[in-house]
Amino acid sequence: GQQVQQSPASLVLQEGENAELQCNFSTSLNSMQWFYQRPGGSLVSLFYNPSGTKHSGRLTSTTVIKERRSSLHISSSQTTDSGTYLCALEENTGYQNFYFGKGTSLTVIP
Amino acid sequence: EAAVTQSPRNKVAVTGGKVTLSCNQTNNHNNMYWYRQDTGHGLRLIHYSYGAGSTEKGDIPDGYKASRPSQENFSLILELATPSQTSVYFCASGDEYEQYFGPGTRLTVL
Repeated sequence: GQQVQQSPASLVLQEGENAELQCNFSTSLNSMQWFYQRPGGSLVSLFYNPSGTKHSGRLTSTTVIKERRSSLHISSSQTTDSGTYLCALEENTGYQNFYFGKGTSLTVIP
Repeated sequence: EAAVTQSPRNKVAVTGGKVTLSCNQTNNHNNMYWYRQDTGHGLRLIHYSYGAGSTEKGDIPDGYKASRPSQENFSLILELATPSQTSVYFCASGDEYEQYFGPGTRLTVL
């Protein structure tokens, strides 16, 4: 089955610093999605990005299929960015099942 | 208005008891999923469905049953709850590209 590896597992930033979160996968994909989860909260979709680069405010997602990786860049981090970031992908098998990484726990300190 | 809702939001059950977790979606998605989330394991797929009347086993189906009586509703059933099933359970609906999550149900089995 699909292997999804996220790095780093945890990250601590000073407010205003940038962050780069990585998601690596082992086989071909049909879909890539990035989620944000506040402690004790649900998953909020940040990006659907199966290939290329997408922007949303201070967030940028880049997926490079041939390198089997997707990244999430957070610029000018804020304390409200603290939480867990998860990537999820769906294999190109037609079964429409999603595989999740274990997430990156981000803490932004003032 | 929330498109994926779950009930109950919190549940305390006794070992050996029956527990039913309910999920409703207004996205008109064919696919629905049940996950559990535990520290160190991330999100793990329990059961999923491709449409009314269908249920499929995910990665960790043992001890769980699922029911999809309609397009909108998907239930997760624990016939004989055990303490190891204490977790946070998430329901999601999706198409072949993206998933949308409910708020989660925190289940404690004593």
